[in-house]
Amino acid sequence: EVQLVESGGGLVQPGGSLRLSCAASGFTVSSNYMSWVRQAPGKGLEWVSVIYSGGSTYYADSVKGRFTISRDNSKNTLYLQMNSLRAEDTAVYYCARVGDIVARDAFDIWGQGTMVTVSS
Amino acid sequence: QSALTQPPSASGSPGQSVTISCTGTSSDVGGYNYVSWYQQHPGKAPKLMIYEVSKRPSGVPDRFSGSKSGNTASLTVSGLQAEDEADYYCSSYAGSNNFPSYVFGTGTKVTVL
Repeated sequence: EVQLVESGGGLVQPGGSLRLSCAASGFTVSSNYMSWVRQAPGKGLEWVSVIYSGGSTYYADSVKGRFTISRDNSKNTLYLQMNSLRAEDTAVYYCARVGDIVARDAFDIWGQGTMVTVSS
Repeated sequence: QSALTQPPSASGSPGQSVTISCTGTSSDVGGYNYVSWYQQHPGKAPKLMIYEVSKRPSGVPDRFSGSKSGNTASLTVSGLQAEDEADYYCSSYAGSNNFPSYVFGTGTKVTVL
């Protein structure tokens, strides 16, 4: 079964750091485009970052310089390292697979999400 | 990158049709045929309903259809059913100068009366 399972969310103080993980099953993370999307409480979806199969990484302006997307091929897992966290980073963070040939540039598989709360 | 504009709400009776618009610019919706639509029920993850403007993933009912004209994309749900009541979001590739990015719509809450 194709599945994504996020973990690592929690409560962190402003200025702190957190690393989110997204374990994939049923497909290979390194062979696909993978992304992080977040949703603040009661708000809409916001694209955060993408890593292409070749390893190139891209970020939304709102997180550039603070967040880093990466992957561990041996663990088939995607990560999001979040530093210098702000209150406005509070959201449910979803990892998602991005189609590159079929369903190009669509988020076709989603995890269940992990909540990140930035508060003192 | 600004969010794509969607109406906050839409509604229809069971069996009727509802159409949701998604307005962007020539740098996103108008510039690429990579518009997708997502359904999200409360407390759940989004689900892909339409990709590449008008294509349906396997398992999505043909009651869901998509189209695009200029800078505006649309999602139509025909034959509304109770389970279609959810939030719907559009998304578009918005890359420029070889710098990939993606943008989502503001979201539309669909109510089945």
